[in-house]
Amino acid sequence: AQKVTQAQTEISVVEKEDVTLDCVYETRDTTYYLFWYKQPPSGELVFLIRRNSFDEQNEISGRYSWNFQKSTSSFNFTITASQVVDSAVYFCALGPVSGNTPLVFGKGTRLSVIA
Amino acid sequence: DSGVTQTPKHLITATGQRVTLRCSPRSGDLSVYWYQQSLDQGLQFLIHYYNGEERAKGNILERFSAQQFPDLHSELNLSSLELGDSALYFCASSQGQGVYNEQFFGPGTRLTVL
Repeated sequence: AQKVTQAQTEISVVEKEDVTLDCVYETRDTTYYLFWYKQPPSGELVFLIRRNSFDEQNEISGRYSWNFQKSTSSFNFTITASQVVDSAVYFCALGPVSGNTPLVFGKGTRLSVIA
Repeated sequence: DSGVTQTPKHLITATGQRVTLRCSPRSGDLSVYWYQQSLDQGLQFLIHYYNGEERAKGNILERFSAQQFPDLHSELNLSSLELGDSALYFCASSQGQGVYNEQFFGPGTRLTVL
């Protein structure tokens, strides 16, 4: 069975601190996609990144970076120099590279960035 | 703004009632997904339609049904409502039929069953 675990339920940091959100997944598939979504207080989920399992290069987008480690089945998300606008619930998800098996989401990590 | 619209934004109803949630996907998107988000269960996939045809079903109760119309909008029907059906219901859309495509989420419909 596919499973995504986000062990951190809530994290609170002070503005400008770096913060890492953990994501660990389980799958028997040899290839798969991993995703991160952001759910700000307004409620709408926003896509952040999609990563294919055969591409283990880390990715950086501005203050956001993602560390994919296939050996530990982890896909962690780091926000550098956090800002109040980063306050949101962040979801990690696992999905297939083909077919219609639905995305499996983790329970989410609520990040609060305090000014 | 993702381009996905959902109506109504809020819905308050009583147990035993039936409600219909509506979703209009982004222009050009043929796939529509429905998700339920509750505090205890997290974000749960309900059902996926592509160009009018059902593609995948998740943990959707028999009391729930959905369809996608020729104009590609979709409706989620919830009947014989129970207190536990109170949740945020999201619709998402994407261009292709692959689940791996980026999904654009609507603002959600918050359903409260009293």
